[in-house]
Amino acid sequence: SQTIHQWPATLVQPVGSPLSLECTVEGTSNPNLYWYRQAAGRGLQLLFYSVGIGQISSEVPQNLSASRPQDRQFILSSKKLLLSDSGFYLCAWAKPTDGNSPLHFGNGTRLTVT
Amino acid sequence: AQSVTQPDIHITVSEGASLELRCNYSYGATPYLFWYVQSPGQGLQLLLKYFSGDTLVQGIKGFEAEFKRSQSSFNLRKPSVHWSDAAEYFCAVDNFGNEKLTFGTGTRLTIIP
Repeated sequence: SQTIHQWPATLVQPVGSPLSLECTVEGTSNPNLYWYRQAAGRGLQLLFYSVGIGQISSEVPQNLSASRPQDRQFILSSKKLLLSDSGFYLCAWAKPTDGNSPLHFGNGTRLTVT
Repeated sequence: AQSVTQPDIHITVSEGASLELRCNYSYGATPYLFWYVQSPGQGLQLLLKYFSGDTLVQGIKGFEAEFKRSQSSFNLRKPSVHWSDAAEYFCAVDNFGNEKLTFGTGTRLTIIP
């Protein structure tokens, strides 16, 4: 069966510090991968998605970047965190289809920038 | 612009009572429709999905949803809620068939004894 792992579960970082959140998927190959952010009291905002190694699409301009160095690894990064980067970050994967494959989410990372 | 609306931010129901969570979308064609549930501090779990065919779909945990094209709605229902159903529920839409879901802002469900 397929599983998705995200770490760390919680993170407190000072403003201006770098960030690296990692997500890995097991039990499937060539998945579509996604990073979402959930701000308090709001829905989920798609940040990045990837359909293959080295292929990253950014949905919104921001202080963050994403990379996919391996087929089942997706990394969210920042060189210098802002207070507004605080939130709950969710990684997800889906089988590459025509859209009828649901997203499968990790347990998320709670990021607090102080 | 594409949008998904969940008009109820917070709903409180008694345990054993029926539940309906509303979801409306604005798209030109019939999209793919999903409902997800999120427990506090956790990721999202798929409850059910609609792609085509029968407009009443059954999901996990006793939930069902009905797609109504004329109302652009995909409301989630459960005949009798349990205390363990307390969570946040998200409706989501994929209009272009590319797994780039647009989510509603969520409805937080509280269950009272």
